[in-house]
Amino acid sequence: QVQLVQSGAEVKKPGASVRLSCKTSGYTFTTYYIHWVRQAPGQGLQWMGIINPSGGSTNYAQNFQGRVTLTSDTSTTTVYMELTSLRSDDTAVFYCARGGYCSSTSCHPADAFDFWGQGTLVTVSS
Amino acid sequence: EVVLTQSPGTLSLSPGEGATLSCRASQSVSSSYIAWYQQKPGQPPRLLIYAASSRATGIPDRFRGSGSGTYFTLTISRLEPEDFAVYYCQRFGSSFQYSFGQGTKLEIK
Repeated sequence: QVQLVQSGAEVKKPGASVRLSCKTSGYTFTTYYIHWVRQAPGQGLQWMGIINPSGGSTNYAQNFQGRVTLTSDTSTTTVYMELTSLRSDDTAVFYCARGGYCSSTSCHPADAFDFWGQGTLVTVSS
Repeated sequence: EVVLTQSPGTLSLSPGEGATLSCRASQSVSSSYIAWYQQKPGQPPRLLIYAASSRATGIPDRFRGSGSGTYFTLTISRLEPEDFAVYYCQRFGSSFQYSFGQGTKLEIK
């Protein structure tokens, strides 16, 4: 079965960086895009970026451009999200989610997010 | 950028009643690019509806999505206790644009 398992909670100081992982299994890793979504406490969902694990191409939301980097490791079927220059308002749960796919002839990134990781809480506090 | 506005912010209903949740887009959106999610406390969102009206795998038929253009709805008939949660609509499209509405909280009256 499809699973996305995220790394554990983190506590960071303002200005630091954090790197989260999303280990996938149960499907062909290079076929599906992976997204990252932020959810601040009591707030809604905010899309951060997308990576195509086949080749590693990325696109980021304007709000996070310059601070977020997504990478993928096909040998371990894991996607990573690094967020730099952390601020207190980055305190949130971060989710990875699968959405969009590539066939043998074309790619279709515009698709619903059908599987989600369990989420990772990042607390930014001095 | 397409902005999604959900209404109402909170909906108070009793089990057995029906619910209608709305999602309005700031400009016309292809129905193929609208989804709905359910989120319970401490859990990740769960995909309910994709392409505006198609139920995801395992979603009961009391959940129904509809709409077109700038107005989309999620209708839940005969509310069950487990349906009380927060619901989000989402739009995705070309040029890697993805956005969510602010959510509607469905609470027990």
